[in-house]
Amino acid sequence: GAVVSQHPSWVICKSGTSVKIECRSLDFQATTMFWYRQFPKQSLMLMATSNEGSKATYEQGVEKDKFLINHASLTLSTLTVTSAHPEDSSFYICSARDSRLFTDTQYFGPGTRLTVL
Amino acid sequence: AQKITQTQPGMFVQEKEAVTLDCTYDTSDPSYGLFWYKQPSSGEMIFLIYQGSYDQQNATEGRYSLNFQKARKSANLVISASQLGDSAMYFCAMSPGSARQLTFGSGTQLTVLP
Repeated sequence: GAVVSQHPSWVICKSGTSVKIECRSLDFQATTMFWYRQFPKQSLMLMATSNEGSKATYEQGVEKDKFLINHASLTLSTLTVTSAHPEDSSFYICSARDSRLFTDTQYFGPGTRLTVL
Repeated sequence: AQKITQTQPGMFVQEKEAVTLDCTYDTSDPSYGLFWYKQPSSGEMIFLIYQGSYDQQNATEGRYSLNFQKARKSANLVISASQLGDSAMYFCAMSPGSARQLTFGSGTQLTVLP
């Protein structure tokens, strides 16, 4: 199956700092990647859709200046949480759509647990 | 708007028995995809099975099968011969039309008892 990696798996930072999370498709090209946020015991909330070579599309209520997304290559998308605050603490998980498939199957990374002190 | 409903917040099943996790959906798009994902306590989302709206047969993947009833707009996941490692949160999801995005249900926490 398709493999997606995510780094780091967890990060603790001070309030006001920026944190970058990387999402890579390891064995396939992904023209489209997605970033989700998940609170404990809740479902996944889509934050943005990242398309290679173009600007990300953000969901309503997600601050694009706060959550910077870059999809510079067919295998890498990054999410930068700028000036992080405690309320940004959450589980962030990315996914990549396998362009080889006619379905919209998304393969997920292992997630990043962010704690802002 | 698209909506996925999972009405069972928690389910228990005895090891080696079969279990059905319910999922209903709502969409006006004639073409859509239905997915099930498993999320263990480690947090990773594991793709289990896919069903296309035009597929005539129910999808199967090993011990997983999807009971697709289009007229009732239901896509229940059946896990046969449950194993302790099946204990996890299970999410039903839908990708309607050409949206390419997934809409997730609220999830069902499955616990397999020894």
